[in-house]
Amino acid sequence: EPEVTQTPSHQVTQMGQEVILRCVPISNHLYFYWYRQILGQKVEFLVSFYNNEISEKSEIFDDQFSVERPDGSNFTLKIRSTKLEDSAMYFCASRSQGHVYGYTFGSGTRLTVV
Amino acid sequence: AQTVTQSQPEMSVQEAETVTLSCTYDTSENNYYLFWYKQPPSRQMILVIRQEAYKQQNATENRFSVNFQKAAKSFSLKISDSQLGDTAMYFCAFVYNNDMRFGAGTRLTVKP
Repeated sequence: EPEVTQTPSHQVTQMGQEVILRCVPISNHLYFYWYRQILGQKVEFLVSFYNNEISEKSEIFDDQFSVERPDGSNFTLKIRSTKLEDSAMYFCASRSQGHVYGYTFGSGTRLTVV
Repeated sequence: AQTVTQSQPEMSVQEAETVTLSCTYDTSENNYYLFWYKQPPSRQMILVIRQEAYKQQNATENRFSVNFQKAAKSFSLKISDSQLGDTAMYFCAFVYNNDMRFGAGTRLTVKP
């Protein structure tokens, strides 16, 4: 069964550093997403991406964040100048044209900012 | 804006018994989708079951079924014959257009 692949599974970074979280969505999917889950809390929407541009973003997704689909297969989330409160699980998801099959999530990247 | 409410932060059930997890949502839209996702200790988000709002028939997937009450904006998940592997966080999700929003989750523990 096709999967959404995220790397790395765990990233530890110093406060103030930049991190890039990588995702490979399912190849024929058209819509891509990043979600964040702070430990023990709800899953929060960050951004959606379609046709090589951001289609929607939440209030969390400020100038510190950016997304890119550099080569037609990878979908990346960059976090500049990381803060302690950025520590969370970051999930990538993708879906095809319709909603019938839901969003397929990757297994997540656990980001720890120290 | 759409909101999703899961009023049960934690629940437990004996192995082989049946448990129902509640979810309500608020929307003014008519055509939307509802999902239940399972998040085991591995933290992966796994799709359990889905429901299209335009379908009156409740969705079922093996031991999992939903009770979809569109007028009441309610979407509960019933797990029959609970197994130890069902222990996980369960998230209800609402989707309209390109927007999926989650409830706060219910932590389900299946006891042997």
